[in-house]
Amino acid sequence: ETGVTQTPRHLVMGMTNKKSLKCEQHLGHNAMYWYKQSAKKPLELMFVYSLEERVENNSVPSRFSPECPNSSHLFLHLHTLQPEDSALYLCASSQAGDSSYEQYFGPGTRLTVT
Amino acid sequence: GQNIDQPTEMTATEGAIVQINCTYQTSGFNGLFWYQQHAGEAPTFLSYNVLDGLEEKGRFSSFLSRSKGYSYLLLKELQMKDSASYLCAVNQGGKLIFGQGTELSVKP
Repeated sequence: ETGVTQTPRHLVMGMTNKKSLKCEQHLGHNAMYWYKQSAKKPLELMFVYSLEERVENNSVPSRFSPECPNSSHLFLHLHTLQPEDSALYLCASSQAGDSSYEQYFGPGTRLTVT
Repeated sequence: GQNIDQPTEMTATEGAIVQINCTYQTSGFNGLFWYQQHAGEAPTFLSYNVLDGLEEKGRFSSFLSRSKGYSYLLLKELQMKDSASYLCAVNQGGKLIFGQGTELSVKP
């Protein structure tokens, strides 16, 4: 595998379910990000992990819970979501400490909450 | 507040030139990225401008004027495969603030 991978690519869940999104980067980066992309809206930054520590939490509801066990893996745990949480969830990685370094994105998980 | 504006949609003809504008008003600025995103795929990096002026990379060029809070992406010799969404993003110390994206349709 190369680049940034995400699983699953598609997920349908009920409002009472618990599920997790997984992201893995094979680029040797040490910063990872979760973004939410809704139709007709800008990409919204949700969480940032740098050197495995959370450095940004953009006022995201507690029903979204990130986890970064090591610099290559990032999870987003989902619990009691709302229909408005249906969106494309994108993971990205980059090199921490170099703000000019571009972020590499995964293909995303298309989430539908019913 | 943070504000990044791009046109929502643009249409152009194969072989032509198109310019996609981006204006921004943000509390911090460390540079500006352009990304391309095909439907159902990951955004991919196109260009990064941190100083004023034009950066050319093959068929794609990007321009920045920091004093005007303005950037554009110029696509030359358009191809059908250039149909995609183009995302402008302001870099704030590694944190990216995105515009809503411009959906470009290239017609034969």
